[in-house]
Order: sequence, then structure tokens, then C-alpha cells
Amino acid sequence: KAGVTQTPRYLIKTRGQQVTLSCSPISGHRSVSWYQQTPGQGLQFLFEYFSETQRNKGNFPGRFSGRQFSNSRSEMNVSTLELGDSALYLCASMGTGDGYGYTFGSGTRLTVV
Amino acid sequence: GQNIDQPTEMTATEGAIVQINCTYQTSGFNGLFWYQQHAGEAPTFLSYNVLDGLEEKGRFSSFLSRSKGYSYLLLKELQMKDSASYLCAVREGNTDKLIFGTGTRLQVFP
Repeated sequence: KAGVTQTPRYLIKTRGQQVTLSCSPISGHRSVSWYQQTPGQGLQFLFEYFSETQRNKGNFPGRFSGRQFSNSRSEMNVSTLELGDSALYLCASMGTGDGYGYTFGSGTRLTVV
Repeated sequence: GQNIDQPTEMTATEGAIVQINCTYQTSGFNGLFWYQQHAGEAPTFLSYNVLDGLEEKGRFSSFLSRSKGYSYLLLKELQMKDSASYLCAVREGNTDKLIFGTGTRLQVFP
């Protein structure tokens, strides 16, 4: 079965702009989580969605937002981009009842200039 | 607070055994995961422990002691392709939220 698909793979944006990243989970998976990965901080939890509802949120400013659609696809949006937002953004999906079924996508590499 | 500690870097020789330690302090615990991540790629699942003890899967084993807040990943018969970052992560309480350590970069030399 297809894995977790993230688009685009690479993105370059200018400070002040906004960006939308997309994640399509494994078919049948209803839980989608987003993480930011930077060299100094490692993976940091952004938010988690299940059946179109945000269940958990990390400690990121309100500029970071997300949503999940009825087909479980998820998007995250970052507004008013800052240089420090440059990172690899990873999406992970998990099926119901999976004890350890987190599967990550290859990520979107965002560079803010 | 929440804290997960693991060594930043380790080196080892092909064919050897290496143990990567992870200690954690989190507000809740519902399982510990180890992931492998090669540069520029997605993290891939290696192991999961929720009860104390050792889980073995081929060349990789993972151990958990919940009372000590401690886990390790053991890699045997190291191969060059094992050069990667190894990420320790704890799932909090009754959520699907993972708290990650900063990762251990392992370099395997011939």
C-alpha cells in the first residue's frame, strides 16, 4: 500500500509570506500528526488531527495552523514566515488500534529567505 | 517538564555491537519508540516498548525500564548502512503525541 505522501518536497519562501503544506496519510489511517525538524531541536510536535478534529497541539505560535479533511488528508499553514521557520516538516499517520503504527512521510523542506 | 536525553554522536566499527542509551522524563508514558533516520530521508520505525524488558528484532534489540525512565537500542553486527541518526521518542499518556529526543548520529567505520 502507498505510504504517507507529502507535497511539495522542497519550498523556498520569503520572510512575511505564508505557506501551505499537504499530507496524504496511508489509506485507512485517520490520525495525522505534524512535526518540525531542525538540526538543533530535533523533531518537535506541532499538532495532531483525528477525524477532522485537532486532538493535540504543541508549543508553537498561532502562525502555525492546520486542518484535516474528511478523506483524512491534512494541511498545515504557516503565516508571516520567519527565517527560523526554515526546517523539515514531517507528517506521520497512524491507523486506529495500531500500537506502534506511526509512519512518516519524506517531509517538506522549507527554506525561508 | 518533559525531557528526553540521548548522546549526540557515536562511532563504531563494522561488525561490532553498539548500544544507544535514552533517558526520559515525561508527564505521562504510553510507550517508547526507536526510529532510524538516514540523512534527507523520513524516520523509519525500528522498535516499540511499552512493558519492561527486551524486545528483539533481528540485529536490533530495544530495552525498557519504566521505573528508571531508561531505554537502550542495541545494534549487533554493525553494517555500513547502519550509519544514520537514531531517534528515541516517548508517547505521552493517552494521546498520540510523540516527544522526541534530539537523536544520536551513529557513524560506522570499516
